[in-house]
Amino acid sequence: GAVVSQHPSWVICKSGTSVKIECRSLDFQATTMFWYRQFPKQSLMLMATSNEGSKATYEQGVEKDKFLINHASLTLSTLTVTSAHPEDSSFYICSASGQHEQYFGPGTRLTVT
Amino acid sequence: RKEVEQDPGPFNVPEGATVAFNCTYSNSASQSFFWYRQDCRKEPKLLMSVYSSGNEDGRFTAQLNRASQYISLLIRDSKLSDSATYLCVVTPLTGFNKFYFGSGTKLNVKP
Repeated sequence: GAVVSQHPSWVICKSGTSVKIECRSLDFQATTMFWYRQFPKQSLMLMATSNEGSKATYEQGVEKDKFLINHASLTLSTLTVTSAHPEDSSFYICSASGQHEQYFGPGTRLTVT
Repeated sequence: RKEVEQDPGPFNVPEGATVAFNCTYSNSASQSFFWYRQDCRKEPKLLMSVYSSGNEDGRFTAQLNRASQYISLLIRDSKLSDSATYLCVVTPLTGFNKFYFGSGTKLNVKP
């Protein structure tokens, strides 16, 4: 089946720094990718829809200036958490729309100290 | 009001038991429905789609009730390996657009 990768799989950073997470569709082209965040014991919350070649669409309550999304090619979307704070510590998962379903990446665990 | 609501559980059942989960959704225009399974600290994996006519895949049966706006998942003959969190997913449009996840129902199958 289709594969979506994320990099890094986990990252620890200091408060105030920025972290970039990559999401790649490995064997198909994805014009649309999605970014989710999941806090412990909670469900996945859609943060934004990433569209190749255009601006991302953010869900209500998600700060677009804090979570920068770039979808520069049909196989790559990046999420940059700017000026990260401990409350941004979470599991970030991307997904890409394939022909028949959405395919999820393995997730990136971010810890901000 | 949340788009999708689920009983968080946990449901603790013995091996071989039959267990059922329900999920309600708020948007009557929702058109696509899925059950995903998520293991601890892993990404969600598609378990099955849910069709208006209902569908069955081995020990798993999913049903949709549009009038009452809920979907259900029935697991028969539970296995230890079924222990996971089951996520209900609803999309407002066909074509795998935005996914709205329920909070998940945790299942623990005991020996």
